[in-house]
Amino acid sequence: EADIYQTPRYLVIGTGKKITLECSQTMGHDKMYWYQQDPGMELHLIHYSYGVNSTEKGDLSSESTVSRIRTEHFPLTLESARPSHTSQYLCASSEGDWGGNTEAFFGQGTRLTVV
Amino acid sequence: GDSVTQMEGPVTLSEEAFLTINCTYTATGYPSLFWYVQYPGEGLQLLLKATKADDKGSNKGFEATYRKETTSFHLEKGSVQVSDSAVYFCALSDRAGGATNKLIFGTGTLLAVQP
Repeated sequence: EADIYQTPRYLVIGTGKKITLECSQTMGHDKMYWYQQDPGMELHLIHYSYGVNSTEKGDLSSESTVSRIRTEHFPLTLESARPSHTSQYLCASSEGDWGGNTEAFFGQGTRLTVV
Repeated sequence: GDSVTQMEGPVTLSEEAFLTINCTYTATGYPSLFWYVQYPGEGLQLLLKATKADDKGSNKGFEATYRKETTSFHLEKGSVQVSDSAVYFCALSDRAGGATNKLIFGTGTLLAVQP
């Protein structure tokens, strides 16, 4: 069973609110990732981190921001939520490179609805 | 750029039927290839992988062979069960230049198995 946790699982929030989606892993992995999954199931990388104090933007432009102050924690923040932010957000981590012999682990996701 | 193309769903099968989900890729380097599965309401789980040409990945009765000549990594299972109903994602990680090693996903294929 994967030791990576996302909270909350579901969130319904009004437009303009600030929100933080939490992601924590207890495996000591250096690499962590945020994916946005649209209703058509397609996954888009929006942020990644290779370690503490390292954050990079992914392939899909996102108004969200991330931080990596501790190895185990990789929160995602939206300063002002909008209906266009409605989506499922998946957090993942890995010990090494995706292409190596290490497995990537995904959290259960946070389904965000902005009304 | 690198990309993954997989067959569109939904794929609807009867229990014990043979399953094939096609996946082809485009990559400039030497990718590792993966199949991930997402059960309803869950995050993604690694199903199987292959790291070089002609490797066969297998798990839980599923298998896929890395075919460099056809740039393909088709997923197969000889006899599906209702519990196999899920979304299946083909993915690659290109190690050429190796700096980022991000996973690139296909669009996902929904499999529905009926009793």
